Amino acid sequence: RKEVEQDPGPFNVPEGATVAFNCTYSNSASQSFFWYRQDCRKEPKLLMSVYSSGNEDGRFTAQLNRASQYISLLIRDSKLSDSATYLCVVSNTGGFKTIFGAGTRLFVKA
Amino acid sequence: DAGVTQSPTHLIKTRGQQVTLRCSPKSGHDTVSWYQQALGQGPQFIFQYYEEEERQRGNFPDRFSGHQFPNYSSELNVNALLLGDSALYLCASSLDGWVRGNTEAFFGQGTRLTVV
Repeated sequence: RKEVEQDPGPFNVPEGATVAFNCTYSNSASQSFFWYRQDCRKEPKLLMSVYSSGNEDGRFTAQLNRASQYISLLIRDSKLSDSATYLCVVSNTGGFKTIFGAGTRLFVKA
Repeated sequence: DAGVTQSPTHLIKTRGQQVTLRCSPKSGHDTVSWYQQALGQGPQFIFQYYEEEERQRGNFPDRFSGHQFPNYSSELNVNALLLGDSALYLCASSLDGWVRGNTEAFFGQGTRLTVV
């Protein structure tokens, strides 16, 4: 089993749709969680950190469920510019080692 | 303020050769992490440097080694290149404590290495 697993994708959605991504992690001692966005042939960029209480940033909402060991990302009112790969990131081993999921590709269509 | 810069941007090497990739962190950052990203995959953690020492390492063979200089810049060295080493190599800089959720890590645009 991979340490971090994401929805395989790709997700093809129309503009204005709501889309949700899930990510599961295997190490219950994991400490920190993030969602990164990566555009084609570009470097990953932080979208948002994920806190136990859940957090929201505009159209984006991230949630963490430690009991079930999964993280989710909800995107409301999808825009064409949201088309990208979304990477789930988990830190393990005392907080220094970071593990990326394979990413979920999102295509938003006009 | 320059962000994270990596050099070179592209590189072609022959199997068995050695390669050195370079990374200059964002101003004020003291921690550098290296990742390997194969096509269609997420970045795989290679190692992290802090205070000129390798602090943590992922599941990569000893052919992968690194160094951090007093000015916090870093190098990634790969010896005895294999075809499977072809990938995008990403460098991320941060203030110590990123993965504890304290600060954001910034990535460079990467070095695309092709081994033929």
